[in-house]
Amino acid sequence: IAGITQAPTSQILAAGRRMTLRCTQDMRHNAMYWYRQDLGLGLRLIHYSNTAGTTGKGEVPDGYSVSRANTDDFPLTLASAVPSQTSVYFCASSAYLGGPDTQYFGPGTRLTVL
Amino acid sequence: GQNIDQPTEMTATEGAIVQINCTYQTSGFNGLFWYQQHAGEAPTFLSYNVLDGLEEKGRFSSFLSRSKGYSYLLLKELQMKDSASYLCAVCPITGGGNKLTFGTGTQLKVEL
Repeated sequence: IAGITQAPTSQILAAGRRMTLRCTQDMRHNAMYWYRQDLGLGLRLIHYSNTAGTTGKGEVPDGYSVSRANTDDFPLTLASAVPSQTSVYFCASSAYLGGPDTQYFGPGTRLTVL
Repeated sequence: GQNIDQPTEMTATEGAIVQINCTYQTSGFNGLFWYQQHAGEAPTFLSYNVLDGLEEKGRFSSFLSRSKGYSYLLLKELQMKDSASYLCAVCPITGGGNKLTFGTGTQLKVEL
């Protein structure tokens, strides 16, 4: 069982380019989340999905979009990357049965926008 | 909104005990989590508190006081591998009750 996988592991991207970060989980978790982690700012929630077919905005959603077509996949898209989106991106999932529960994190994607 | 404070850095000696504090202010409280994150790796779950008191799990314990907006993580018999960042995260009641707001983390260095 892999848990949560993310791809790519790292990426260098030119500003203005479109980029999709992939996230797949095999735990049949209902909820999935995207965070970015920046030095001195900690983990910040970008977008989330409590169940397939629904998504919601987190603390820092601007410049990012997500989709949740099925239970397993939750891609994050940067439509037109900017240098301020340079960060480490973590995908997470949780069972979510209606309350707080443990989130399990993927290994992360290190993105550099030049 | 939520406001979470933790010390930025701490240093402790192998074999000792260290307490990492976390204070929070939140509009509606649905639990507090502690995560461990080694450099270059993903955060991993350590503990969850929703009621006041102490939760013990091996060498790690976590305490919560909801009335004071205060939690601590206690690490006993410190080992070199405990050198990591420790993240406090609060779960507010609003917005589905499952989203976490993280503190900036406490970088713990364990020395010989």
